[in-house]
Amino acid sequence: AQSVTQLDSHVSVSEGTPVLLRCNYSSSYSPSLFWYVQHPNKGLQLLLKYTSAATLVKGINGFEAEFKKSETSFHLTKPSAHMSDAAEYFCVVSVDAGGTSYGKLTFGQGTILTVHP
Amino acid sequence: DSGVTQTPKHLITATGQRVTLRCSPRSGDLSVYWYQQSLDQGLQFLIQYYNGEERAKGNILERFSAQQFPDLHSELNLSSLELGDSALYFCASSVGMAPVAYEQYFGPGTRLTVT
Repeated sequence: AQSVTQLDSHVSVSEGTPVLLRCNYSSSYSPSLFWYVQHPNKGLQLLLKYTSAATLVKGINGFEAEFKKSETSFHLTKPSAHMSDAAEYFCVVSVDAGGTSYGKLTFGQGTILTVHP
Repeated sequence: DSGVTQTPKHLITATGQRVTLRCSPRSGDLSVYWYQQSLDQGLQFLIQYYNGEERAKGNILERFSAQQFPDLHSELNLSSLELGDSALYFCASSVGMAPVAYEQYFGPGTRLTVT
């Protein structure tokens, strides 16, 4: 079975300061990991994904995440927060059992990021 | 704008009723996914169709069913509705069959309220 835990339900930062959204995962096989963002009253948008290539993944809007197998973590970071980053962020795991890429997506509970001026 | 459209945007209905949610994928996408987002359950994968055929099932209740039509649009049917079915229902589409290999593009969702 696979699961994902987002360690903070809310994170609050000031504009221009770094962002860290924490995610731990659990899976029996090598996972694929994603971060999605959901702005208010909008659908989800893919920020970045890890699929067993480079462990440091760069995404859109200056976000990046590092896959750490030893820590079973996939934390999302951004050096400098912008007001437009205020949204809910979801860490997602999918297990590619058997190498078929047919793993289903399992979503974390979400982290709401608030950015103060 | 992701290119995925969902109708209606909002739906209010009573317990025991049946509703149909509609999704039109992005042009060229063959896969359609349905997700449910609720406060207590979070975001859950329900079901996937690829080119008209069911490909994968998640936590979909027996009271729920879906299909994908020859023009690739999809409908999610929810019957014998209960208060707990109130949620935001998302549709997503992707060009390929494998959820891991192909990016999913999400629609804006249909908010269902059961009273």
